[in-house]
Amino acid sequence: AQSVTQLGSHVSVSEGALVLLRCNYSSSVPPYLFWYVQYPNQGLQLLLKYTSAATLVKGINGFEAEFKKSETSFHLTKPSAHMSDAAEYFCAAQGGSEKLVFGKGTKLTVNP
Amino acid sequence: ETGVTQSPTHLIKTRGQQVTLRCSSQSGHNTVSWYQQALGQGPQFIFQYYREEENGRGNFPPRFSGLQFPNYSSELNVNALELDDSALYLCASSLASSRSSGNTIYFGEGSWLTVV
Repeated sequence: AQSVTQLGSHVSVSEGALVLLRCNYSSSVPPYLFWYVQYPNQGLQLLLKYTSAATLVKGINGFEAEFKKSETSFHLTKPSAHMSDAAEYFCAAQGGSEKLVFGKGTKLTVNP
Repeated sequence: ETGVTQSPTHLIKTRGQQVTLRCSSQSGHNTVSWYQQALGQGPQFIFQYYREEENGRGNFPPRFSGLQFPNYSSELNVNALELDDSALYLCASSLASSRSSGNTIYFGEGSWLTVV
């Protein structure tokens, strides 16, 4: 069964610093991979998705993620954090159907 | 704005009662899924409908049931509510050309259910 692991339930960075949120997937066949962001009391907003077209995927709000098959990873990065990036981030995998398997999420705090 | 709308946004029910949550998919989308997100957790897949037929189910008991209508809107019904059913229920829609994956999935804002 597919699974997604997000390392670090909480990540804290200073404004302007690099954001790195880690995601590893478990699958014998590379799945489709997604990053979603959830602001307090809101639903999920798609940041970016990997569908095998390119290993480096650019998303909205300056985020990008790199698919590394050898490491079964799909880490999310942003060069310079902004206060508005404070939210919870979810990595998800999909394979064979429309069902998404989510990680437990990483809460990002941005300090002034 | 994802074009996926859910109602109600918040509701409180008593243990043992039944609840119906509603979802209007993004226009043209033929696939709808429901997820349960408990506090502090990632969303968990409940089930999915593709062109009005159930097309996959997660590890949820039969008292969780659903419908997809010809206009592709959907309902999630939960019978015999338990305290642990308190969660955010998310509806998601996508356009599947076949039963393949990789399509962008859009989520609604969710329905907050509290069971007391």
